[in-house]
Amino acid sequence: AQKVTQAQTEISVVEKEDVTLDCVYETRDTTYYLFWYKQPPSGELVFLIRRNSFDEQNEISGRYSWNFQKSTSSFNFTITASQVVDSAVYFCALDSSGSARQLTFGSGTQLTVLP
Amino acid sequence: NAGVTQTPKFQVLKTGQSMTLQCAQDMNHNSMYWYRQDPGMGLRLIYYSASEGTTDKGEVPNGYNVSRLNKREFSLRLESAAPSQTSVYFCASSEEGGFAQDTQYFGPGTRLTVL
Repeated sequence: AQKVTQAQTEISVVEKEDVTLDCVYETRDTTYYLFWYKQPPSGELVFLIRRNSFDEQNEISGRYSWNFQKSTSSFNFTITASQVVDSAVYFCALDSSGSARQLTFGSGTQLTVLP
Repeated sequence: NAGVTQTPKFQVLKTGQSMTLQCAQDMNHNSMYWYRQDPGMGLRLIYYSASEGTTDKGEVPNGYNVSRLNKREFSLRLESAAPSQTSVYFCASSEEGGFAQDTQYFGPGTRLTVL
């Protein structure tokens, strides 16, 4: 069975602060993919990043960075110098190569960036 | 290129009524999915279609039926709506069929209330 845990239900920061969103996953598969999606107040789901289980190289894209550690089954997401427009619900998701093909989502972290 | 579109955006039903949620994608994707999003629970897969002509149950299929009308369209039907089906419904699509590395792209969602 797959499971994704986002222990932080809500986070509130002041603009320009850095913030890290935690994601811990469980899977028995050796091949799997991890995703982060953003859901702004408008409600749509926006794809941010995909990482496969064979690539632990961390990535930076502008103000976003991701820290993937297989040893701790974590795939954390950091926003540097946060902005008000970053306010959204962020979802971590897991997809494995098992026969039951489905994307398993965490419960989401509501990030509020205050001006 | 509209991506994934869903109709309607909002719907209110009475218990026992039926309705069909429509989804279409113009990205020539093979796989399509229906999720529901409930507060505090993230997204859960209802049904998916790995390719045209095939459909499979996801995590929460009870009370729903689906039809993969053609490669572009994937509809979700509630035969006899119940208050427990009050939720936000998202349709998604991905390029390949049955591979874990696919990125799923989501529609804007349908907010359904069952009274």
